[in-house]
Amino acid sequence: DTGVSQNPRHKITKRGQNVTFRCDPISEHNRLYWYRQTLGQGPEFLTYFQNEAQLEKSRLLSDRFSAERPKGSFSTLEIQRTEQGDSAMYLCASSPQSLATNEKLFFGSGTQLSVL
Amino acid sequence: DQQVKQNSPSLSVQEGRISILNCDYTNSMFDYFLWYKKYPAEGPTFLISISSIKDKNEDGRFTVFLNKSAKHLSLHIVPSQPGDSAVYFCAARESGGGADGLTFGKGTHLIIQP
Repeated sequence: DTGVSQNPRHKITKRGQNVTFRCDPISEHNRLYWYRQTLGQGPEFLTYFQNEAQLEKSRLLSDRFSAERPKGSFSTLEIQRTEQGDSAMYLCASSPQSLATNEKLFFGSGTQLSVL
Repeated sequence: DQQVKQNSPSLSVQEGRISILNCDYTNSMFDYFLWYKKYPAEGPTFLISISSIKDKNEDGRFTVFLNKSAKHLSLHIVPSQPGDSAVYFCAARESGGGADGLTFGKGTHLIIQP
């Protein structure tokens, strides 16, 4: 059991640059979530996928953010024209089925983004 | 507005004693609650959960209590151990859909003193 894997662990970029993060969920999990965590806050929901379909997006996900899960396996989160306010830990989580069945989320170690 | 509130940013407890972490919520549509534990530079890991049809769930040293009328839950850790030092997040899920994600509190940093 390899768990949820996220790459890179750390990313430092200059304001205005584009960045892309990758998440590999636990292999048998069909649900994949992206969260963002800033200092002193809990994780905030951004978006989730069931297989390759993106089913929900938070209002936190501005049009500079795009997430994909093309084959229903790994997912990417891209931020275009980064701003200093985008600096945060980006967490990916997966679950085997809907939270409606009282399943829990399994989180990766996150990607820490710093925008200079 | 914070729908899940953890009003104590930090808590210091002596090793061997009981740690009690509190969580309040405002959304009456929440029906499933979870506690996650987070070490620095790691993602949150699941600790224990409780459905709104129960008022208590126990797993080893960890017990979660739910008081629906007060919209309050608490996590009890007995006895507290040094490895319990971490940030603890309370999370809740809304019944009937919505964002289908979890809503988290801001966390409580638990420090276990030797």
